[in-house]
Amino acid sequence: AQSVTQPDIHITVSEGASLELRCNYSYGATPYLFWYVQSPGQGLQLLLKYFSGDTLVQGIKGFEAEFKRSQSSFNLRKPSVHWSDAAEYFCAVGVLSGSARQLTFGSGTQLTVLP
Amino acid sequence: DVKVTQSSRYLVKRTGEKVFLECVQDMDHENMFWYRQDPGLGLRLIYFSYDVKMKEKGDIPEGYSVSREKKERFSLILESASTNQTSMYLCASSVTRTGNTIYFGEGSWLTVV
Repeated sequence: AQSVTQPDIHITVSEGASLELRCNYSYGATPYLFWYVQSPGQGLQLLLKYFSGDTLVQGIKGFEAEFKRSQSSFNLRKPSVHWSDAAEYFCAVGVLSGSARQLTFGSGTQLTVLP
Repeated sequence: DVKVTQSSRYLVKRTGEKVFLECVQDMDHENMFWYRQDPGLGLRLIYFSYDVKMKEKGDIPEGYSVSREKKERFSLILESASTNQTSMYLCASSVTRTGNTIYFGEGSWLTVV
């Protein structure tokens, strides 16, 4: 069965510092990979996704992620964090189940940004 | 923009009550999903539907049922609510297409007392 691991439960960075959030997946086929962000009390917003092609994917809000098949990883990065980036971040792998593609999520990484 | 609307943001129900969580999407998506979100566990799939009147169990279907009578509406039903069903519930939808994105609603906070 597929699974997603986000090894860091909580990360704290200073505003303006760089950020990397780790994600490792386990899936037998070619993965479809996603990063979502969730602000407090809100639903999930898609940051970026990888289906095929270029392994470096650009997303919204200045985020990017790199797919590394050899490491089964899809780490999220941002060169300079803003206070508004404080939120919870979820990595997910899209798997085919029956006639629908559903998402299997990691447990999330909570990001705190210090002024 | 795709809009997934969950009718109730905050609910408080008593143990044993029947609870309905409603979700509507406005983009003619074939697929709809119900997830449950708990701290430290991420999001876990309860049920999903790929067509009207069609449904499939997700990872944690016990204690829940669903209904999809119309394409745009997907309901989650707790037949007899229990305190361990206190959680955040997220509805989502997508089209059946390679590269499709799954869009989420804002969530429904359910407290069972």
